[in-house]
Amino acid sequence: EDQVTQSPEALRLQEGESSSLNCSYTVSGLRGLFWYRQDPGKGPEFLFTLYSAGEEKEKERLKATLTKKESFLHITAPKPEDSATYLCAVRRGTALIFGKGTTLSVSS
Amino acid sequence: DVKVTQSSRYLVKRTGEKVFLECVQDMDHENMFWYRQDPGLGLRLIYFSYDVKMKEKGDIPEGYSVSREKKERFSLILESASTNQTSMYLCASSKTENTEAFFGQGTRLTVV
Repeated sequence: EDQVTQSPEALRLQEGESSSLNCSYTVSGLRGLFWYRQDPGKGPEFLFTLYSAGEEKEKERLKATLTKKESFLHITAPKPEDSATYLCAVRRGTALIFGKGTTLSVSS
Repeated sequence: DVKVTQSSRYLVKRTGEKVFLECVQDMDHENMFWYRQDPGLGLRLIYFSYDVKMKEKGDIPEGYSVSREKKERFSLILESASTNQTSMYLCASSKTENTEAFFGQGTRLTVV
């Protein structure tokens, strides 16, 4: 059964304190791993797609990496505005199936 | 930019009512999806559509139906609303089955 597991469920950081979020997956034939950011009360906002092991993508303070079993979202020197829930998803047929997310809180 | 628009941000409906949630996308995307999001359960797929008049059940279709009469519009229908359908409903669309999905702003539905 295709499955996506994210850890930790919640993460509290001080401004400038770098860390990583984990997304482990089991899927038959990966056709893309997707990262989204979701602010409270809003729809998820697309961040990255990764397709093959070893691939990396960056956007501002965020860097996503992919191995054959998991993906990491590295957050370097986070700011309070990075506080959000981060979701990862894999493709199952036409649709995406999501992990439950990691809620990141960054305090100044 | 892709825009996915859901017709309502907030809805309050009574138990037993028939409820329509509307979603429109403006980028000629082939695929459209309905998810619901609940605390501790994450996003769960209700239904999706890969073409006009075509639909597929997701993981939790019970109590719901969908309609896609035009490519840009995908409706979620709660035939007889129940309190356990109180949730955040999210519509999304994607160009192909290999590209990212873009989400609307969500509809928070409360059934009383």
